[in-house]
Amino acid sequence: EDQVTQSPEALRLQEGESSSLNCSYTVSGLRGLFWYRQDPGKGPEFLFTLYSAGEEKEKERLKATLTKKESFLHITAPKPEDSATYLCAARNRDDKIIFGKGTRLHILP
Amino acid sequence: DTAVSQTPKYLVTQMGNDKSIKCEQNLGHDTMYWYKQDSKKFLKIMFSYNNKELIINETVPNRFSPKSPDKAHLNLHINSLELGDSAVYFCASSQDFLGHEQFFGPGTRLTVL
Repeated sequence: EDQVTQSPEALRLQEGESSSLNCSYTVSGLRGLFWYRQDPGKGPEFLFTLYSAGEEKEKERLKATLTKKESFLHITAPKPEDSATYLCAARNRDDKIIFGKGTRLHILP
Repeated sequence: DTAVSQTPKYLVTQMGNDKSIKCEQNLGHDTMYWYKQDSKKFLKIMFSYNNKELIINETVPNRFSPKSPDKAHLNLHINSLELGDSAVYFCASSQDFLGHEQFFGPGTRLTVL
């Protein structure tokens, strides 16, 4: 069965302390790996799509990378406003989108 | 301008009732989705419509019936509500069925008593 697993479940960092969030996937015929940000009480907000191993995308302090088994969301010098839940999702060969359970990130000022 | 809107934002109802949640997108997208996010924040797709046509129907009880009167609207009707239906329901849209950027609505928090 296709699966997306995110780790850690929760992460607390000091402002400026860089780190990475992990997304491991077991998906038949990956057709896209997505990262979303979700703030409390709101819908997920799209960040990145990655299609093939070796691909990287950046946006401000965030960089997403992809290998054949996992994706990382690197956060460089985070600020308190980066606090949110980060969701990873994968689309399989049947175009079904499977979400992970998310990583709750808290950046302390 | 709200890209994807849902009404109501909160819905509290008794077991056994029938209720509907409405969704509208003004992005001109062809594809719309319904997701359920449970108490553990796990987001799971329920349905997907492309140009008013159902293309994904996950293993959802047939008490849940989506209706798409036009490609800008996708409503969700739920019959005989059960306690386990309590969750946040999100509507989303994408440019087309292969569109990988989905725009989500603000969610509807359904509480079944």
